[in-house]
Amino acid sequence: AQSVAQPEDQVNVAEGNPLTVKCTYSVSGNPYLFWYVQYPNRGLQFLLKYITGDNLVKGSYGFEAEFNKSQTSFHLKKPSALVSDSALYFCAVRAGSRDNYGQNFVFGPGTRLSVLP
Amino acid sequence: DTEVTQTPKHLVMGMTNKKSLKCEQHMGHRAMYWYKQKAKKPPELMFVYSYEKLSINESVPSRFSPECPNSSLLNLHLHALQPEDSALYLCASSQDRDLMYNEQFFGPGTRLTVL
Repeated sequence: AQSVAQPEDQVNVAEGNPLTVKCTYSVSGNPYLFWYVQYPNRGLQFLLKYITGDNLVKGSYGFEAEFNKSQTSFHLKKPSALVSDSALYFCAVRAGSRDNYGQNFVFGPGTRLSVLP
Repeated sequence: DTEVTQTPKHLVMGMTNKKSLKCEQHMGHRAMYWYKQKAKKPPELMFVYSYEKLSINESVPSRFSPECPNSSLLNLHLHALQPEDSALYLCASSQDRDLMYNEQFFGPGTRLTVL
């Protein structure tokens, strides 16, 4: 079965500093990896995804993520954090069979990012 | 239109009430999903509709009854809920359930409180 770990419940960073939100995964087969952001009392917004090819993926709002197959990681990064980036971030992975969707699409537990002015 | 809409935004209901949540998308997506999300937790998949047919029911209690009247609409009928069912209910859609690389588009959710 697929699994996703986000080892940090909370990440604090000063505005203007680079930020990293970590994600590691365990899958059978090739993974498709996603990052979503959730602002308070809102639904999830898609940020970026890795399908294949270039390990560095660029997404919305200046975010990017680096796929590292050997470390089974897909960390989210941004060179300069904004206060408005403060939100809950979810990593997700899809892999395996097209069937059994509920088990082959998995969200991580989430990381709360706080950007301090 | 790249938006998923959900109504109502907030719903308070008693344990004997019957209510419905509604979701709509006009992106031509053929897969639609219901999720339940508790505070500070990831969404939990409840149901998946693929081409207007229920393809996955993640062992959800029968007091939750999904319906997909057409390719743009998804309903969740609620009856005899329990207080522990209070949560944010999210609807999502994607181009096709079987395209592994498709991202999902989420609605803003309905905040449900069961008294």
